[in-house]
Amino acid sequence: QVQLQESGPGLVKPSETLSLTCAVSGYSISSGYYWGWIRQPPGKGLEWIGSIYHSGSTYYNPSLKSRVTISVDTSKNQFSLKLSSVTAADTAVYYCARQDYDSSGSWFDPWGQGTLVTVSS
Amino acid sequence: SYELTQPPSVSVSPGQTARITCSGDALPKQYAYWYQQKPGQAPVLVIYKDSERPSGIPERFSGSSSGTTVTLTISGVQAEDEADYYCQSADSSGTYKVFGGGTKLTVL
Repeated sequence: QVQLQESGPGLVKPSETLSLTCAVSGYSISSGYYWGWIRQPPGKGLEWIGSIYHSGSTYYNPSLKSRVTISVDTSKNQFSLKLSSVTAADTAVYYCARQDYDSSGSWFDPWGQGTLVTVSS
Repeated sequence: SYELTQPPSVSVSPGQTARITCSGDALPKQYAYWYQQKPGQAPVLVIYKDSERPSGIPERFSGSSSGTTVTLTISGVQAEDEADYYCQSADSSGTYKVFGGGTKLTVL
């Protein structure tokens, strides 16, 4: 079955760029689906960050759009997140997920286990 | 920006029925999806397209929709159902995804 695994630094300094990668196994990204990033600040709710299609087209949460870049590397079967100019408010568990869809909507299933990124000097 | 509203908490005794609501102006046009999240774990999809249940999800989980409100119903609640539940949908264009604030289900 499909499995996703996030990786990247657990500590990022304020004003720097957060970079995470999601490795996908059990399914070839180039075969289809959207792939998404979602985050969850400690003790708080979920926030959709953005999504990418296997072809590379992207769409982002308007509240983060100016700082977010999501890219896909089909040769490595992974996709990545970059969030620039981070502050303490960006401290969160970051999840990657497959975004299933049809003509009526889209949903996230399955999810990676998540990785905690702390923004601190 | 578009928002989905959930009650912060719901409490039920074992064996009773729990109902968790989610309200949003675009819900008559956009499907809703529900996720269960237990402490320290990633969310798991329990309902999609308002009322469909993924394989492997117990039949006691069901979903319904009426106007601007969708409801997750858990019949015969078990202790293992204690978790946070999040609804998810999209704005009226269907482009931008949004999650509700989450509801903590406590099994008394």
